[in-house]
Amino acid sequence: QQQVKQSPQSLIVQKGGIPIINCAYENTAFDYFPWYQQFPGKGPALLIAIRPDVSEKKEGRFTISFNKSAKQFSLHIMDSQPGDSATYFCAASMDSNYQLIWGAGTKLIIKP
Amino acid sequence: NAGVTQTPKFQVLKTGQSMTLQCAQDMNHEYMSWYRQDPGMGLRLIHYSVGAGITDQGEVPNGYNVSRSTTEDFPLRLLSAAPSQTSVYFCASSTRGLGIFGYTFGSGTRLTVV
Repeated sequence: QQQVKQSPQSLIVQKGGIPIINCAYENTAFDYFPWYQQFPGKGPALLIAIRPDVSEKKEGRFTISFNKSAKQFSLHIMDSQPGDSATYFCAASMDSNYQLIWGAGTKLIIKP
Repeated sequence: NAGVTQTPKFQVLKTGQSMTLQCAQDMNHEYMSWYRQDPGMGLRLIHYSVGAGITDQGEVPNGYNVSRSTTEDFPLRLLSAAPSQTSVYFCASSTRGLGIFGYTFGSGTRLTVV
């Protein structure tokens, strides 16, 4: 019940396309859902996060869509660029808890 | 610059050797944690701490020890290195209330055990 399942494991998209990465969870007590971006040789960094009281959040070209009833959330990258090539991790947490439960990661490659 | 500092960046150990990976943060974060990252395995939690003097085990604690004597420092000790501990290690910290800043990660330590 503590797991967060992330798919796909890897994704290749042409420049300008819209990669979509999906995550699913079981624990309905989760109330915080962040996405982290990791470039090679660097630590992950917070990209965008959402709470279950909204169905969508946008920050620049990055959008989280959240479906509370399906217990799923996804990351969309609009007008993707080669510089977006990175590994993306979804995660989930309860606000009362420091712990993040991590998805397995998606390696995204944007081809020029 | 404020953040999480990990040292060393690279390390090669022989099987059976011990060493300490250093992690320091200057953001007065209560929470600190150690992860290992292996290809296809995502981020796996080794140990964590919610404050000075308080530590607890994560998902993969065997072969590692931690202590938290100050808010700033959270060293990870490998007691007797094994090839299975070859990995990239990340330290992360946060304050309560993950929503704004989330976890701040260090830049990692790439460890090879031969």
